[in-house]
Amino acid sequence: SAVISQKPSRDICQRGTSLTIQCQVDSQVTMMFWYRQQPGQSLTLIATANQGSEATYESGFVIDKFPISRPNLTFSTLTVSNMSPEDSSIYLCSVNDRDYGYTFGSGTRLTVV
Amino acid sequence: AQSVTQPDIHITVSEGASLELRCNYSYGATPYLFWYVQSPGQGLQLLLKYFSGDTLVQGIKGFEAEFKRSQSSFNLRKPSVHWSDAAEYFCAVSNSGYALNFGKGTSLLVTP
Repeated sequence: SAVISQKPSRDICQRGTSLTIQCQVDSQVTMMFWYRQQPGQSLTLIATANQGSEATYESGFVIDKFPISRPNLTFSTLTVSNMSPEDSSIYLCSVNDRDYGYTFGSGTRLTVV
Repeated sequence: AQSVTQPDIHITVSEGASLELRCNYSYGATPYLFWYVQSPGQGLQLLLKYFSGDTLVQGIKGFEAEFKRSQSSFNLRKPSVHWSDAAEYFCAVSNSGYALNFGKGTSLLVTP
């Protein structure tokens, strides 16, 4: 299965600042997915990132708040902008691994103070 | 709209007892089906998946799940629960290659 390196693993940020999360995959993949897991909740899809095109955002998520880059088939970043305490969550990237299913990064645990 | 429902928010079972976690989905065609487990402070671990074929799927840690098309269900079972099985369990569904849609999860508590 694909292996994803996600960083940072955790961070504590001041409100009003931004944090960029990186995911590096060890193989080329068409789509990468970004999820948010709020405390005690399930995973919610933020957006789908395709190489060479704008990311597709789910209802309730906007590009100005969560800009995504996808410069090539193995890498993507998610930025959480102008953070508030409500953004404190675990953020995960994922790829579809055709034979295995879906692989997830280890997650970024974000605390906004 | 596509949806995944896990009707039970919390389940408590005694160690050694059997377990069944329910999952129902609403999708236009037969989707890909998954069960994940997440222990406190840990990442997601894939227990098993169903793409096609035999509707009874065996997974890791002694878990199995059965796909029932007529009921749009994919329930997770284990014949004898161990204390280490206490965790959050997520059912997830996708159309081939697209993003996973997660249920809200079922929290499993195992009592001595």
